[in-house]
Amino acid sequence: DAGVIQSPRHEVTEMGQEVTLRCKPISGHDYLFWYRQTMMRGLELLIYFNNNVPIDDSGMPEDRFSAKMPNASFSTLKIQPSEPRDSAVYFCASSLRQRSTDTQYFGPGTRLTVL
Amino acid sequence: AQKITQTQPGMFVQEKEAVTLDCTYDTSDPSYGLFWYKQPSSGEMIFLIYQGSYDQQNATEGRYSLNFQKARKSANLVISASQLGDSAMYFCAMREPAVKGSQGNLIFGKGTKLSVKP
Repeated sequence: DAGVIQSPRHEVTEMGQEVTLRCKPISGHDYLFWYRQTMMRGLELLIYFNNNVPIDDSGMPEDRFSAKMPNASFSTLKIQPSEPRDSAVYFCASSLRQRSTDTQYFGPGTRLTVL
Repeated sequence: AQKITQTQPGMFVQEKEAVTLDCTYDTSDPSYGLFWYKQPSSGEMIFLIYQGSYDQQNATEGRYSLNFQKARKSANLVISASQLGDSAMYFCAMREPAVKGSQGNLIFGKGTKLSVKP
């Protein structure tokens, strides 16, 4: 079975540009999560969806960040306009459910560099 | 207060030896899950092993085993017969049930960097 798929794997952009990160969760998983990882802050949960509906976006840093899940097999995380401090690795993860026994499976991540 | 504590920022182990990576956690909920993830230098987060709070036996997955001591609230990862490819960051994580205002999200420790020496 295919795991979580993310694209692009690497993105280099200039400050002020729009960036769109994409994620395809594992088929049949009801929950999708977006994380950001930096050296300073470690792994941070940005937002998560249940059955395509955003449930908790309290981790989204500011209005420049937005996330959508138009269907069960696709989600996007958009940054507009991007800033150098947004440089990080962005992970998408999915899990079957939200019980304490459910494993979150991560995608390979998108390494974003904003110049 | 930190919910997941990994006290070893870095560890060295000789190839073919066993190594234990420490993890302690803090929760008042009787139901929770504990997870270990590996992050090699290539960056992906790889799920290794899971332990449920009600599991009677320690979890094992190949060369990985979890030394679960519930009373001490510790969930140490043991890697047997270390290989060069085990060099990576290792993250311990906990998930509580999505009840009582908790979203049931995964809470990560800061990680331990393991280096395997030939």
